[in-house]
Amino acid sequence: DAGITQSPRHKVTETGTPVTLRCHQTENHRYMYWYRQDPGHGLRLIHYSYGVKDTDKGEVSDGYSVSRSKTEDFLLTLESATSSQTSVYFCAISDSQGPSTDTQYFGPGTRLTVL
Amino acid sequence: SQQGEEDPQALSIQEGENATMNCSYKTSINNLQWYRQNSGRGLVHLILIRSNEREKHSGRLRVTLDTSKKSSSLLITASRAADTASYFCATDADAGNMLTFGGGTRLMVKP
Repeated sequence: DAGITQSPRHKVTETGTPVTLRCHQTENHRYMYWYRQDPGHGLRLIHYSYGVKDTDKGEVSDGYSVSRSKTEDFLLTLESATSSQTSVYFCAISDSQGPSTDTQYFGPGTRLTVL
Repeated sequence: SQQGEEDPQALSIQEGENATMNCSYKTSINNLQWYRQNSGRGLVHLILIRSNEREKHSGRLRVTLDTSKKSSSLLITASRAADTASYFCATDADAGNMLTFGGGTRLMVKP
């Protein structure tokens, strides 16, 4: 999985609780992304980062916030989890240099269940 | 909304047969990529084709791109049971190295 880890890998939580998912990379890539994957919707971009402290919204950002204080870590926070946020969350990275700047490398995913 | 839409949504074939998956997209692109996802795993990059290319090969994979029809196809030749996975096309966006993924084709290769 190209030097990308996600933690936790599985989490069950209750509605209204805060949840933070962590993505860690050892590739020193500039770009990092959070996606969610749901049946019938494919992968949808939640937020992405183009550098330390530089982030922007994706297609489905409502209810989510992110932070990137170090190149290697990208955190996704659900301030108050809802059942509609039950999903599989994937982190991905890509580089800004070299011949493969458009290729993304994915982590193993985090399965989140909100009861 | 999804930029890319794969067709068919599901495909079942016998080992040794060829598998063809199609992807249509809506806006102009710089490149199109195909990814594979095995059950319970993250996506893995397979191949990238640029807008000025019409065909590209990688091992048993052949990708075509028709920018006039805004469509691409992925052909897997001599399929194996290990090719069983979901396959996604992804198109680039204007900034931030972002990609937009389609809904995927679930391929099952029966031994």
